[in-house]
Amino acid sequence: SQQGEEDPQALSIQEGENATMNCSYKTSINNLQWYRQNSGRGLVHLILIRSNEREKHSGRLRVTLDTSKKSSSLLITASRAADTASYFCATVPLGSGTYKYIFGTGTRLKVLA
Amino acid sequence: GAVVSQHPSRVICKSGTSVKIECRSLDFQATTMFWYRQFPKQSLMLMATSNEGSKATYEQGVEKDKFLINHASLTLSTLTVTSAHPEDSSFYICSASEASGANEQFFGPGTRLTVL
Repeated sequence: SQQGEEDPQALSIQEGENATMNCSYKTSINNLQWYRQNSGRGLVHLILIRSNEREKHSGRLRVTLDTSKKSSSLLITASRAADTASYFCATVPLGSGTYKYIFGTGTRLKVLA
Repeated sequence: GAVVSQHPSRVICKSGTSVKIECRSLDFQATTMFWYRQFPKQSLMLMATSNEGSKATYEQGVEKDKFLINHASLTLSTLTVTSAHPEDSSFYICSASEASGANEQFFGPGTRLTVL
C-alpha cells in the first residue's frame, strides 16, 4: 500500500496536556502536510513542511520532519477540547508529476475537558 | 485562502440509481481536481485526478465506468456514481489545485453518500 502510517491510531488526553502524533512514509517527498478533520467534515490545512526543513511552528502546533527516517511528528501543546478531531499527514512524493497527495492512516485525538 | 465547495453535502439514493456530485472552485481557476473517497474511521483514498478538458486518470482498482468524472471548466468538476450500490456509501471529498503541477490542494467540505 502506498499509504503512510500514523501512530497512534487513537489518542485520548486531558485538556491542557500535549498531544504527539507521528507519521511515517515510504518514498522521498517534496513536502509533507498535516490536516485536521472534524467528524463528518472536510479537511482543514494545518501546516506544510518542505523536505529541506526540519521543524516548523504555527501557534500551538509544532511539526518536525526527519527525511532520513521518513517520518514526521505533530505536537499540539496545551490541548483544548476543540482540538478533538482526526489528524492526517499527507505527502507529495518526489517526482510526482501531478503532485498527488498520499494520506496517512490518521490519528483520532480525543481531548477530555 | 482558496475556497472549494461541494454540492450536495448529503445525498441518499436508492440502489441502482445514479448520483452526481459537484465540486467547484469559487475564487480561483482549478486546472487540476482530485476526487477522494473516505470510509468511516479510515483515511482518504485518491480515486482519480482530472485535468480541465481532458480525461481523468483513475487510480488502480477504481472503475472508470462506475465513477464518471467530468472536468469541463476551470471551476467545475463532477463525479457521477452510476448504478450505485450500498457498498458505494461513503464520504466523497474533492480538492482543487490552481495550476497544473501546483503543490497545494484546496479541499471541499465533502459529500456524504448513502445508498439504500
